[in-house]
Amino acid sequence: GEDVEQSLFLSVREGDSSVINCTYTDSSSTYLYWYKQEPGAGLQLLTYIFSNMDMKQDQRLTVLLNKKDKHLSLRIADTQTGDSAIYFCAESMGYSTLTFGKGTMLLVSP
Amino acid sequence: SAVISQKPSRDICQRGTSLTIQCQVDSQVTMMFWYRQQPGQSLTLIATANQGSEATYESGFVIDKFPISRPNLTFSTLTVSNMSPEDSSIYLCSVVGEATVHEQFFGPGTRLTVL
Repeated sequence: GEDVEQSLFLSVREGDSSVINCTYTDSSSTYLYWYKQEPGAGLQLLTYIFSNMDMKQDQRLTVLLNKKDKHLSLRIADTQTGDSAIYFCAESMGYSTLTFGKGTMLLVSP
Repeated sequence: SAVISQKPSRDICQRGTSLTIQCQVDSQVTMMFWYRQQPGQSLTLIATANQGSEATYESGFVIDKFPISRPNLTFSTLTVSNMSPEDSSIYLCSVVGEATVHEQFFGPGTRLTVL
C-alpha cells in the first residue's frame, strides 16, 4: 500500500537553511507535493514536482527528488520565524487523490 | 488558485448530534474532496464529492456516517452524523484547479470538538 514517511520535528535558527525530508513507497507516484499548515489554518500548497524531474526551485524553496530511492526533500533557504509551521509531504498518481505524510513540525528560533 | 471558504470555522457539539459543514468555492470546479485531520495526525481522505451523483467514499468511511451533498460545481456539504468524541477532528474540503489539474487547494478547515 501507499505510505509516506516524514521526520516529526525540526528545529533551526533564523537565517539558517532548513531541510525537511520525506520518503514514499509507491513507485508509480507521479506528483509529489509540499504543503504548509500554520497553527489554526488550512493547508497551503507550497510547491510540487513531477516525477520526471529531479529538482525544482522557487525563490527560497528547493525541492529535490531522488526517484530511485523514493526520497523527496524541501530546502528552505534563509529560514524565517514566519516559516514555523507543519510541513506535509504528499504524493499522487495523478488521479487527484493525495496520500499525506504525518507532517514535520518546523520550529524557527530567533 | 481557487478561494475556498468553510462554515463553521469551529464548533463544539454534544455526542449523538449531527453537524453539517459547508464548503464554498469562488469558481466552478469539477473535483472536490473532503478530508479529516485527527489531532496530531495527517490528513485522511473521506470521500470525493461528485456533482449530481452520490459521493465516492474511501475505505472506512460510509455514507450513513458522513453524508455529502454536491448540488453544483461551487458548493458541497459534509455532515458528521451521530457524533462521538472520536469524531473530534479538523475537516477540510479541497478542490483541484481547473487550469492546473495537478494542484489541489484546501479550505481553512472546520475544527470540530465533540464532548
